[in-house]
Amino acid sequence: KAGVTQTPRYLIKTRGQQVTLSCSPISGHRSVSWYQQTPGQGLQFLFEYFSETQRNKGNFPGRFSGRQFSNSRSEMNVSTLELGDSALYLCASSFRSGETNEQFFGPGTRLTVL
Amino acid sequence: AQSVTQLGSHVSVSEGALVLLRCNYSSSVPPYLFWYVQYPNQGLQLLLKYTTGATLVKGINGFEAEFKKSETSFHLTKPSAHMSDAAEYFCAVSDPYSSASKIIFGSGTRLSIRP
Repeated sequence: KAGVTQTPRYLIKTRGQQVTLSCSPISGHRSVSWYQQTPGQGLQFLFEYFSETQRNKGNFPGRFSGRQFSNSRSEMNVSTLELGDSALYLCASSFRSGETNEQFFGPGTRLTVL
Repeated sequence: AQSVTQLGSHVSVSEGALVLLRCNYSSSVPPYLFWYVQYPNQGLQLLLKYTTGATLVKGINGFEAEFKKSETSFHLTKPSAHMSDAAEYFCAVSDPYSSASKIIFGSGTRLSIRP
C-alpha cells in the first residue's frame, strides 16, 4: 500500500508569488490535514479536509487556502508569498476525520521564498 | 485546550547510554499521546502512541514511553542509544473525542549521539 505522497518535494518562489502544493492520501483515506513546520513556530496545524469539505482550520491568514477533490487528493494554496512562509509543509491522511491515532504523514514539501 | 511541553531542546548522550526525552502535556480530556521522529529533510515517522489500556507503550527501534496521568507526562526512553537514533523527536497530543484530525505538537528535542 503506497504511503502519503506530496508533490513537489522542493519549491523555490519569490515574494508576492503564489504557490500550490499537492497531497495524495493513502488509498481509501478520506481525511487530509496540512501542517506548517518552521524553526521559529514549530509544527502548526493549518487545516483539514474531509469529503471535499474543510472540517477544521488553524490560526493562519486567509492567504492560506486549500481544497479537496472527489478522489480525496488535496491541494494547498498560498497567495502573495512572504519570506516567513518558507517552511516544510506536511500533509497527513486518515480514513475518517478525527482519527489522529491512525494518521500517516507524507514526506513534506520544502518551500523556500526568496 | 491542549498543549505539550518538551523539556530540553537538545539532548546529547553517548552511544550505548540511556536515552530519556521528557514530555509533559495538558489536556481537559483523556488524551491520545504520540512520539514522532524526524530525520533531516524527511517527514514525520510515528514511533509510538498511547490511546487506551496499558500505560507502558512499546514502539519501533527499541523506544518505549509510559503514560503517567498523575504526572501528566509521557517520557520517551531507550535503554541503549545507537548512532542512528540521532534525529529530532516530537511529542504530540490530540483529543480523541474531537471530530477533527488535529494534532498539537511540542517544540521538539534534537537528540545527538556521541561516539
